[in-house]
Amino acid sequence: DTGVSQNPRHKITKRGQNVTFRCDPISEHNRLYWYRQTLGQGPEFLTYFQNEAQLEKSRLLSDRFSAERPKGSFSTLEIQRTEQGDSAMYLCASSGQGYYEQYFGPGTRLTVT
Amino acid sequence: GENVEQHPSTLSVQEGDSAVIKCTYSDSASNYFPWYKQELGKRPQLIIDIRSNVGEKKDQRIAVTLNKTAKHFSLHITETQPEDSAVYFCAASQGVDEKLTFGTGTRLTIIP
Repeated sequence: DTGVSQNPRHKITKRGQNVTFRCDPISEHNRLYWYRQTLGQGPEFLTYFQNEAQLEKSRLLSDRFSAERPKGSFSTLEIQRTEQGDSAMYLCASSGQGYYEQYFGPGTRLTVT
Repeated sequence: GENVEQHPSTLSVQEGDSAVIKCTYSDSASNYFPWYKQELGKRPQLIIDIRSNVGEKKDQRIAVTLNKTAKHFSLHITETQPEDSAVYFCAASQGVDEKLTFGTGTRLTIIP
């Protein structure tokens, strides 16, 4: 499978716990985006990497959220001290150098109880 | 920042008829407008896109039109089929390297 992959697909956690998600972009895509999607809404931008550099962060990304892309390949999104409001689908997308199109992964559905 | 509005929120169409979904955007600097189809529990799938230097683009039964002056763009699906049933999202961005701003989605149901 050469598409964007995300792990885990589902995560149930208790409020206050930390969680980490992983995204593997399409091979050779240098740009990687994280979005969050709540029920009945379109995806909302969280943050964006070009290679290993994090170039933009949304104001939605509170200080409990951190994202990394250490070697310019896969990326991780960590949420510390989870809250019920963090329950959502976390989507990753990637794009190739010079291309507009963004291709999405299947998402990680987070449920905070 | 950019704001994208999408309507209708739900649309039911008889199989074989056409469906039209409309979006408006606020930022005149936006120049790339993709459409995504999302089936239940699946990833958003890019189905067609258009750039600001083009007024219309077609791909088989799907077409997108763009009116930059009015800041609106539309998705047209002809000869609808049951497998077209899904949620459709429009989006806008200011180009390469830029984030997408999405509409709130349209749930399209094709009635057999």
